[in-house]
Amino acid sequence: QKEVEQNSGPLSVPEGAIASLNCTYSDRGSQSFFWYRQYSGKSPELIMFIYSNGDKEDGRFTAQLNKASQYVSLLIRDSQPSDSATYLCAVNIRDNYGQNFVFGPGTRLSVLP
Amino acid sequence: DTAVSQTPKYLVTQMGNDKSIKCEQNLGHDTMYWYKQDSKKFLKIMFSYNNKELIINETVPNRFSPKSPDKAHLNLHINSLELGDSAVYFCASSQAWTGEYGYTFGSGTRLTVV
Repeated sequence: QKEVEQNSGPLSVPEGAIASLNCTYSDRGSQSFFWYRQYSGKSPELIMFIYSNGDKEDGRFTAQLNKASQYVSLLIRDSQPSDSATYLCAVNIRDNYGQNFVFGPGTRLSVLP
Repeated sequence: DTAVSQTPKYLVTQMGNDKSIKCEQNLGHDTMYWYKQDSKKFLKIMFSYNNKELIINETVPNRFSPKSPDKAHLNLHINSLELGDSAVYFCASSQAWTGEYGYTFGSGTRLTVV
């Protein structure tokens, strides 16, 4: 079973809409969850992290975590064409090294003007 | 002032050659990483160093050898390059070895083996 899963997309939304990106993970003991944005040809940049169940808001971004269901999502309100990028979910998992972060395959978001 | 810088940005080389990629961070972070992103954009950890000590050494060919002269630098040397080594290699750093505050990535090195 893959450790971190995301729909690869592309997810297309019109400008101004809410984009919803989902991520599921397999390790019930995971405690830290991150969302990174990666523009084409660029490096990933951290946009949000969440540790506790519930919602965490930062500007137009809201991260939602449900540990019981083992999913974390990212909502982008008032989507802009500049939000078009690949969004990577990263989750800490327990392994032979104590813990490690595993990235999902990413969801490509396309915001249409 | 670049936080995590890696050089070179592009590297085109022939099969069988040996090459190095250098990484430096000026964030004062204790932990540094090498990640490989393949053509499908899947980002996978290769190595992690905490204060110059190897913490994570994932299953990568032993042709790949990381070296950390100090906690601000983590270089990657690759021997006998193969076509399958073509990818983008990202260096990253984090404040704690647990990575709990997230990573800062370098701009990447696009390696093409011909």
